Amino acid sequence: GAVVSQHPSRVICKSGTSVKIECRSLDFQATTMFWYRQFPKKSLMLMATSNEGSKATYEQGVEKDKFLINHASLTLSTLTVTSAHPEDSSFYICSADRGPDTQYFGPGTRLTVL
Amino acid sequence: TQLLEQSPQFLSIQEGENLTVYCNSSSVFSSLQWYRQEPGEGPVLLVTVVTGGEVKKLKRLTFQFGDARKDSSLHITAAQPGDTGLYLCAGSIIQGAQKLVFGQGTRLTINP
Repeated sequence: GAVVSQHPSRVICKSGTSVKIECRSLDFQATTMFWYRQFPKKSLMLMATSNEGSKATYEQGVEKDKFLINHASLTLSTLTVTSAHPEDSSFYICSADRGPDTQYFGPGTRLTVL
Repeated sequence: TQLLEQSPQFLSIQEGENLTVYCNSSSVFSSLQWYRQEPGEGPVLLVTVVTGGEVKKLKRLTFQFGDARKDSSLHITAAQPGDTGLYLCAGSIIQGAQKLVFGQGTRLTINP
């Protein structure tokens, strides 16, 4: 199947700092990527839809100034958690759209904010 | 309000037993996907069903899409410890739409 990578896989940062997470589609181009957040033992919660060359679309309740998304190329989307706080600690997962009804997920990034 | 209701949310059975996981909604879905997720990893796509009444088999896993495209089931025959994981159903409401709606997930444990 298609491969989507995320970097870093784990990050620990101090409260107040910003953290950037990269999502790359390695063997296909993705006009659209998605960012999800997953709490322990819970399902995935869609945060935003990342569109190449245009602004991201955020889900209700997700602060766009807090979670900055940039989709500068057809293979790369980045999520920056600005001024991170302990409540932002979570498992962040991206996915890349590869056509109708097909999304491939990255391995996730574990963010811990101290 | 949960658009996709998955049940059971937790299931622990012995190796060799059969099980069924259900995914139900009051909405019609243009397609529905099943994923499996291991701890600390991203979900891995198992199957996509798009036609009402469709049945797909993947070794010991059988996936069914309801005739009205509002529900789906995953049946595992002779479960093995390697089947342990979080199973997620997800669907697209609007045909061609990319956004997925996820169920709550079923955490399956197969005991040797």
